[in-house]
Amino acid sequence: DGGITQSPKYLFRKEGQNVTLSCEQNLNHDAMYWYRQDPGQGLRLIYYSQIVNDFQKGDIAEGYSVSREKKESFPLTVTSAQKNPTAFYLCASRLGNEAFFGQGTRLTVV
Amino acid sequence: AQSVSQHNHHVILSEAASLELGCNYSYGGTVNLFWYVQYPGQHLQLLLKYFSGDPLVKGIKGFEAEFIKSKFSFNLRKPSVQWSDTAEYFCAVNSGGGADGLTFGKGTHLIIQP
Repeated sequence: DGGITQSPKYLFRKEGQNVTLSCEQNLNHDAMYWYRQDPGQGLRLIYYSQIVNDFQKGDIAEGYSVSREKKESFPLTVTSAQKNPTAFYLCASRLGNEAFFGQGTRLTVV
Repeated sequence: AQSVSQHNHHVILSEAASLELGCNYSYGGTVNLFWYVQYPGQHLQLLLKYFSGDPLVKGIKGFEAEFIKSKFSFNLRKPSVQWSDTAEYFCAVNSGGGADGLTFGKGTHLIIQP
């Protein structure tokens, strides 16, 4: 089955720790995206990558970092500099004008 | 910069009622418009999309939306809702090329009462 896999589904971390969220796709899409979803806020773009070894900041990139070493993989690191990291994180890839979403990772920082 | 406004954050309807969720966007150029749905505990799914052509687009599960360029609107409609339509609905837009990602509205939480 082709699709986007995010793991884990739920993640707990202590405040001050960096944490990396995984996103893998086997759709052979060039472009990949990370969004953050908060209640009443909709989805906001964190980072995106249009091609391997290249990525751009989105609207709320502060406190996050990404890498794109392989076409299939676009991991997101939530660093200790992110002031409010508890949220639902969604990864997507794009073909043409259409985006395809993973199931999300719910990160809770305690 | 693009922005998307969804007028109703919470909507409660009875089964068989008609539904219209408002969506307005601000962007002067060519846009692609989308409605996504997120059922409880599930991932985001595409309901319908508009790129060009007929401004009335039909999507899955009986939903449709009409693009009115003069009003910068892309309202979602369904003539008769079902309990299973309870979900969060997001309007989204990207510019013609689509490379920069989607801009989402804040969502509308729809509850259908049996």
